[in-house]
Amino acid sequence: GQQVMQIPQYQHVQEGEDFTTYCNSSTTLSNIQWYKQRPGGHPVFLIQLVKSGEVKKQKRLTFQFGEAKKNSSLHITATQTTDVGTYFCAGPGAAGNKLTFGGGTRVLVKP
Amino acid sequence: DSGVTQTPKHLITATGQRVTLRCSPRSGDLSVYWYQQSLDQGLQFLIQYYNGEERAKGNILERFSAQQFPDLHSELNLSSLELGDSALYFCASSPSGTIVGGNTIYFGEGSWLTVV
Repeated sequence: GQQVMQIPQYQHVQEGEDFTTYCNSSTTLSNIQWYKQRPGGHPVFLIQLVKSGEVKKQKRLTFQFGEAKKNSSLHITATQTTDVGTYFCAGPGAAGNKLTFGGGTRVLVKP
Repeated sequence: DSGVTQTPKHLITATGQRVTLRCSPRSGDLSVYWYQQSLDQGLQFLIQYYNGEERAKGNILERFSAQQFPDLHSELNLSSLELGDSALYFCASSPSGTIVGGNTIYFGEGSWLTVV
């Protein structure tokens, strides 16, 4: 079945530094979605990418969808303590129904 | 507040018991999804219902079952509970049966289940 993998599993970042987390799917995706889960919270939708090679920005967050629509990345610049949490990528199944999530990248920020 | 309501928020029960988790989707949403999140783990898809009918199934154990009622609320039934079933169970909803074309899913705050 469809598998979505994320690396790294953990990311320790010094406040003010940049980092990137990567997402890879075993199948071509119609879209890729990113969610953020704060500690003790629930996943919250961040963004959806649909087109091959698409790049979208949300303030300090830059999301990219690969040309083959099988991989994606999230780059955060000038990390802040508010960025703490787990970032998940997710892709719909072939039938467009269920959303399969990657294992997540847990981000810890050192002040 | 996502608009998805889950009850109970916390539940402690003994092994071998049966529990029911309840979910009310956002107003107007027809699809309900159930996910399981064990400690520091990812989100495992269990099952999806659309307008009362099962739409997709994940790695849901035979001891678990779900349904969606005519008023669109959903229940996840977990029986013969084992210690390993301790987890956070999320319900999510979406307007349609597919997650394409700009559609996304909205999560509730989850139900913490502890099996002792």
